[in-house]
Amino acid sequence: DAKTTQPNSMESNEEEPVHLPCNHSTISGTDYIHWYRQLPSQGPEYVIHGLTSNVNNRMASLAIAEDRKSSTLILHRATLRDAAVYYCILRGPIYNQGGKLIFGQGTELSVKP
Amino acid sequence: DSGVTQTPKHLITATGQRVTLRCSPRSGDLSVYWYQQSLDQGLQFLIQYYNGEERAKGNILERFSAQQFPDLHSELNLSSLELGDSALYFCASSVARATDTQYFGPGTRLTVL
Repeated sequence: DAKTTQPNSMESNEEEPVHLPCNHSTISGTDYIHWYRQLPSQGPEYVIHGLTSNVNNRMASLAIAEDRKSSTLILHRATLRDAAVYYCILRGPIYNQGGKLIFGQGTELSVKP
Repeated sequence: DSGVTQTPKHLITATGQRVTLRCSPRSGDLSVYWYQQSLDQGLQFLIQYYNGEERAKGNILERFSAQQFPDLHSELNLSSLELGDSALYFCASSVARATDTQYFGPGTRLTVL
């Protein structure tokens, strides 16, 4: 399974944008980039995913480098509720790997009021 | 609320005992995944079932087993419990399309004394 590297922790101020980086230099052509987050005392929850193009949804944006060796999760306006551990995960095709998620250590995001 | 339910919420037992954790997936989801989260190992994939059949296996101990029933609920059986098995156990479900989202339950906290 291809690996990802994320900073252990980041801090943000409330109402400001947050850019969470992820390096995945050994990504293969069929790997999707998924982001999940885990709020305190809860199970992980899906945030966003992409393959090559940048993606936006109601929670966040995902910017993917042209060579796909890195990506950035963007929270446009951090709220206190966004304080969580954010996981960047490479996920191979479900037809040959079953779709399991391999979690790394993630980035613990703290948000200051 | 992800729509995935797990019971019990907490479980306290002694070493050597056997326990069963139960997971009900979201309506319509055919795939169930089990993950273990401990302080030293982080979130680890254990096993996946798809429509009653085992689909993928992770670092699941031989003392652990799982199954998915015809109504699609799943059970994770942990036997000959050791202190190190104390952890949060999460179940996730998905439709199992190519890039689908996994929805996680609230988890079962197992404490082995």
